[in-house]
Parts: sequence; C-alpha cells; structure tokens
Amino acid sequence: QKEVEQDPGPLSVPEGAIVSLNCTYSNSAFQYFMWYRQYSRKGPELLMYTYSSGNKEDGRFTAQVDKSSKYISLFIRDSQPSDSATYLCAINTGGFKTIFGAGTRLFVKA
Amino acid sequence: AAGVIQSPRHLIKEKRETATLKCYPIPRHDTVYWYQQGPGQDPQFLISFYEKMQSDKGSIPDRFSAQQFSDYHSELNMSSLELGDSALYFCASRGQGGNEQFFGPGTRLTVL
Repeated sequence: QKEVEQDPGPLSVPEGAIVSLNCTYSNSAFQYFMWYRQYSRKGPELLMYTYSSGNKEDGRFTAQVDKSSKYISLFIRDSQPSDSATYLCAINTGGFKTIFGAGTRLFVKA
Repeated sequence: AAGVIQSPRHLIKEKRETATLKCYPIPRHDTVYWYQQGPGQDPQFLISFYEKMQSDKGSIPDRFSAQQFSDYHSELNMSSLELGDSALYFCASRGQGGNEQFFGPGTRLTVL
C-alpha cells in the first residue's frame, strides 16, 4: 500500500462546477499537507498549504484536512477551463521527505 | 518574487553520455530537493540537501550523484545515461522553518 493514495482520474467537469479532489494517507505522523497544480510540462505550483485539521480557503480554492480519517481534499469552486491541470497532493512529516500522490488530471470543459 | 532557477531547460544526450543539471534555489532557502518525473507519473524523489549536506535519499540510481555548494546551488550529475533516464527533472527548494517546497520549471532530459 502506498503511503499516499490519489485517484489519477481523469476527472472531467463542465465550467462552473465544483470540483472535489481527494487523497488518503496511511501514516498518522504526517502533519503538513500541500496541494500543487501542475500544467503540462511545467513545474508543480504550490496552491495550498495547511498543517491542521479543518478548512483553509484561498479564493476559489478550499483545502480540507481530516486527520482522524487520514483524508485530505481540495475543492475548486466555479471551475474554469484554466483550472485544467494535474493536481498533486503532497504530505510531509515535518522532516525533509515529502510524499506526493499520483496526481489527478482535471479537465474543465467550456 | 524570485523563483527556483534550473538550467538547462532542455538537454539532449546519447546513451552512455554524462549530464549535469543545475539548480539555483530561492534566495535564503537552505534545502534543495531533486525529483524525476516520467510521462504521466508523479514526481519521484531522488535526493535532498540541507545546508550543503545530504539530508535524505530516495530512488536515486548509483549512476547519479549530487551536491549542494556553498552558495546553496545544487548540481545533479548523471553518468552512463540510459534511455529510461529520459524525463523531467525538477528541483525544489525549501526555506528555513518551512515545509512547503517551491519547484523550478524543470529540465527536460532526452536520452537518444
């Protein structure tokens, strides 16, 4: 079993839809949770960073962490075609090593 | 704001040749990470450095080596290149006391 599981998709939604992206993890020592967005052939771009259970909002993006269930989510409201990318969750124990999910490919249709 | 710089952006080599990839972290970032990303795959951690010392090691082949220099830039040296080494190589840096990694634009290595 991988330490971080993420459905690779692809996920296709119409413009304006609410998108829900999810990851599960197995190690309760993980404390820091990040979401990256990666456009094709570009470097991953940090979208959200959180270290506690609960919600964190930034514009159209909301990151949610449930440590009791070992489950993290990223919600995108009013999705736009420009949101079409691969979204990677990343989890860290506070040390040097970060574990990435496989990435979910998202397509937002105009 | 300054970002992570990687050079070269594209590199074409033949089998059994050597390659050197360079990474310049965000100013005042002391930790550098190297990742390899094959087509359709998530980034695979290779190696990391903190304050010029190796801090963690992932799935880095023995044919590869890396180091971090006194100015905190890092170089990934790849020898006896194989076709399977063709991939995007990302460098990421992390600041003091932080956990977020900031990625560079990547170097696309093609081995023919």
